Amino acid sequence: DSGVTQTPKHLITATGQRVTLRCSPRSGDLSVYWYQQSLDQGLQFLIQYYNGEERAKGNILERFSAQQFPDLHSELNLSSLELGDSALYFCASSPRPGLPGSFDEQYFGPGTRLTVT
Amino acid sequence: AQKITQTQPGMFVQEKEAVTLDCTYDTSDPSYGLFWYKQPSSGEMIFLIYQGSYDQQNATEGRYSLNFQKARKSANLVISASQLGDSAMYFCAMSSGSGNTGKLIFGQGTTLQVKP
Repeated sequence: DSGVTQTPKHLITATGQRVTLRCSPRSGDLSVYWYQQSLDQGLQFLIQYYNGEERAKGNILERFSAQQFPDLHSELNLSSLELGDSALYFCASSPRPGLPGSFDEQYFGPGTRLTVT
Repeated sequence: AQKITQTQPGMFVQEKEAVTLDCTYDTSDPSYGLFWYKQPSSGEMIFLIYQGSYDQQNATEGRYSLNFQKARKSANLVISASQLGDSAMYFCAMSSGSGNTGKLIFGQGTTLQVKP
């Protein structure tokens, strides 16, 4: 058990709908990362938050947004869902924000498997 | 551009034997970190081992060791004494840059099957 929790574990929804994925980082970790894993794109970084502030953005669609709350949990919102958004969405956490020359391992949650029908 | 390449889509190894999973990376930054993760069929991502670009010695964690060859830009994972529970997908990942935010770039993964 990594200490990172994600809910729900599975989500099935229809095209055009909106969903919210939730993540609680490990105790003491201030940095949260979201990744998408799909068959065609592999594992891709979406977005990072550190202590409530957005720190880095990757290949995140405009239909997707995220935030990190004062209690450090994070939510990833996916809207106007398309079939191609079906994927496994991971949240990961680390203690620090990522600093020049400093590289922390990230601990991953179990993922949320999203199926868009 | 930063890139991780894993050229072995699938590998087989006999139980109790050692196996090497290949990983090459590309970055122009002198400072970077290399990671290996394991993804069993259940789906979770499990951190295995880390190697920093300035580390003098190859990293080891139990049965896992990282064969780091900086000049070749390779960071191969060696699993000794393979066990049936090692059957999984393995991902090599990198974090780099003077503007490092910690985000990971992943390779395509290698599926390892351990035969009894």
